[in-house]
Amino acid sequence: DQQVKQNSPSLSVQEGRISILNCDYTNSMFDYFLWYKKYPAEGPTFLISISSIKDKNEDGRFTVFLNKSAKHLSLHIVPSQPGDSAVYFCAASVFNAGNMLTFGGGTRLMVKP
Amino acid sequence: GAVVSQHPSWVICKSGTSVKIECRSLDFQATTMFWYRQFPKQSLMLMATSNEGSKATYEQGVEKDKFLINHASLTLSTLTVTSAHPEDSSFYICSARENRGSYGYTFGSGTRLTVV
Repeated sequence: DQQVKQNSPSLSVQEGRISILNCDYTNSMFDYFLWYKKYPAEGPTFLISISSIKDKNEDGRFTVFLNKSAKHLSLHIVPSQPGDSAVYFCAASVFNAGNMLTFGGGTRLMVKP
Repeated sequence: GAVVSQHPSWVICKSGTSVKIECRSLDFQATTMFWYRQFPKQSLMLMATSNEGSKATYEQGVEKDKFLINHASLTLSTLTVTSAHPEDSSFYICSARENRGSYGYTFGSGTRLTVV
């Protein structure tokens, strides 16, 4: 049973446009969500996170939106750059359960020049 | 920021041999480290939680005797793949959290294991 899902395995966007990556979760106990960027043969790099008490968090070109009622979060990248091309994973955790991360399946983003 | 060093970055071994992967927190103490495995084009799957000074907690379906985890100090956790077989070939990644209550997970650079 996948508790965190990223239904789009890939996404292609033109440079300068907005990239929107989506993530859905089923466990209502999750209270913290993170986005990671990963290049092949490398470990994930933390991008941005959001607590369940917020519905939006912004950091430069990256904004994460959380819709708790829909159990949905999204990562917006504006403007997209070719260097953003990578696999993006969303992850969720429960604060009082050891903080283990449950990852989605990942979305491969390709930003075309 | 926090740095997690993972070695080796890649290893090729013969079937039946054992391989040890190290995960070190370089500038912070980590009472808990996590080991993940990633198959090609798939997500990161948590294998086990490594606790300093105590036994690791393994996820369902992960063989404890196959994947030995030792967290002997606050800065070092090791994963040993024993009697490796080709199906153990995968990308293994560790992560550590800087301090209790922090969500500042830092990942190692990963280890590509190929068993021939």
